[in-house]
Amino acid sequence: EVHLVESGGGLVQPGESLRLSCVASGFTFSECWMSWVRQTPGTGLEWVANIKEDGSETYYVDSVRGRFTISRDNTKNSLYLQINSLRAEDTAVYFCARAYQGSGSHDSWGQGTLVTVSS
Amino acid sequence: DIQMTQSPSILSASVGDTVTITCRASQNINNWLAWYQQKPGKAPKLLIYTASGLESGVPSRFSGSGSGTEFTLTINCLQPDDFATYYCQQYSSWSLFTFGPGTKVDIK
Repeated sequence: EVHLVESGGGLVQPGESLRLSCVASGFTFSECWMSWVRQTPGTGLEWVANIKEDGSETYYVDSVRGRFTISRDNTKNSLYLQINSLRAEDTAVYFCARAYQGSGSHDSWGQGTLVTVSS
Repeated sequence: DIQMTQSPSILSASVGDTVTITCRASQNINNWLAWYQQKPGKAPKLLIYTASGLESGVPSRFSGSGSGTEFTLTINCLQPDDFATYYCQQYSSWSLFTFGPGTKVDIK
């Protein structure tokens, strides 16, 4: 069974940094594109970033490019999101998600980790 | 950038109804569209991929259609478990995915 477990969220002040992690199990992690998707409380979903199977390609939504860095360690079946210069508008639940069979739909999701940016 | 819109934003329906949600893309995305169901406090669940492919384990009352810029999700014979929010997502390029704003299906 596919399992994705995020961690690393919490309450941080504006301008601070945070590193989110997602540990995968139940599938061959190194063969899948992975994404981070966030959801502001009470609102819709926003794709944040994705990363190719071997980490050689990464892409970001415009609003986070330059502040967020997606990475992976296939030896540890782990996905990461380094978030710098946090802003109030980054407050959200962050989900990691697996891309389905090499396409961009996401068939497996973690439970999410909440990041709250507030002074 | 590709923008996605959904209509309606809220849909009130009764058990047994057939409901249709529309998703439109601002440019041609071929059939690179997925539909998700999300319930409060839970992660999204994939229902449909490549516009009309039914994800394994999803009931056959869910169906998707469309290509290019206009897509629909149809739920036949709405069940109590189907009251949720539905999102479309385009993935025409790995460099930019976009979700629609969502359609909440609630009880009439």
